[in-house]
This record gives sequence, C-alpha cells and structure tokens, in this order.
Amino acid sequence: NAGVTQTPKFRILKIGQSMTLQCTQDMNHNYMYWYRQDPGMGLKLIYYSVGAGITDKGEVPNGYNVSRSTTEDFPLRLELAAPSQTSVYFCASSYLRQGSTDTQYFGPGTRLTVL
Amino acid sequence: QKEVEQNSGPLSVPEGAIASLNCTYSDRGSQSFFWYRQYSGKSPELIMFIYSNGDKEDGRFTAQLNKASQYVSLLIRDSQPSDSATYLCAVPYSGGGADGLTFGKGTHLIIQP
Repeated sequence: NAGVTQTPKFRILKIGQSMTLQCTQDMNHNYMYWYRQDPGMGLKLIYYSVGAGITDKGEVPNGYNVSRSTTEDFPLRLELAAPSQTSVYFCASSYLRQGSTDTQYFGPGTRLTVL
Repeated sequence: QKEVEQNSGPLSVPEGAIASLNCTYSDRGSQSFFWYRQYSGKSPELIMFIYSNGDKEDGRFTAQLNKASQYVSLLIRDSQPSDSATYLCAVPYSGGGADGLTFGKGTHLIIQP
C-alpha cells in the first residue's frame, strides 16, 4: 500500500496561472478531503468527497474546484492563481467520515507558491 | 462556525517529564476529538481519537476529555526528544453540514535533552 500520494511536491506559479494538484489513494476509501495549511496555522478544509461522483464545499472553497470520477483519485484545480493561495495543500482519506474514525491518513503535501 | 483554541507555545519540557497540551472548543455538540502530531515540513499524523468523557491511554499518550468544560488535553509521559513537534487538536467540521475536521493552530512542543 502506497497510502495517500500527492503530486507535485513543490510548485511555483505565476499570478493568473492554473494548475491541478493530484491526489491518489490505494486503500479503497470512500471519503477524501483537501486541506490547506498556511504558515503557523491549523488546516482548513477546502473540499471533500464522500464517494465517486459526489463532492461538496468545505470552509474555504473559493478559487478551487474538485472532481471525483474514481474512488482512487481526487484532484484539486486552481484557476487563476492568486498570492493568497500560497500554502501547503494536504489531501486526506478515511474509511468512514473523517470526524468519526481513527482510520484516516494524510498525504505528504504539496507546497505551492504563487508569485 | 466551530472554533478550536490552542496555546501556540512553544512549550518547553525537559526530557523524561510529562508534557501537557490543552485544547478548548466552542461547539458543545462536538462528539469526537482528535490529536495529531506534525513534524516540521511533514503531514499530520493521527495519534489519539477520543469521544467519551474521561481518559484514554495509548502507550505514553493519554487523552483527557471533559465535555462539560469543553476541554480536551493530551499528556505525553516520559517525554523524548522525538516528541518535539507541533500538536494539532481537531473536532468534526459541521459548517453547512459538511464533513471533515476543524483544526486548532497547534502547540509547538520542544523536549529539551
């Protein structure tokens, strides 16, 4: 099991560019999540998915989009990148709802800088 | 919107002593509570999950929950230098019925050899 994998590890974008952050899990988890973590802060929920074809907004969804066409993959799309999106992005997956289980895992993160 | 409050530290504890980390939360309806450990530049790692009042022990770690006081703590016994990390407290996120977690800002723990 590779667990939760994320690509790329690092990326620098120019203002206005777009990119997709990839997240894949091989544990057959239905629940997947995207968080961002700004320096010295806790994680904030961007989007989540409870299964293939089902996604919903979290606390800070503006400027992002997601899709979930398979159980394994949950990509996060940034359109028109802004400096405020400079952050570390973590993908997570869990066997049950993340708030009700200790079977949950985070990916290694993508460090994104927008200049 | 739920809030989770933690003292950011740093909290400095001598090796071998007990480290005590505290967290308060605003939503009385919160049913489960999580402690994560995050090393610098790494992803969070779940170390404790508690949902009943009282204590839960796992090795050198003990989580204590007091729902009446809206307070959850993490005790680390026999602290080791490898315990130096940021500890994040989290509760289920429920903004608009969403899933996921709401995190505190974390407490930076330093174990002094």
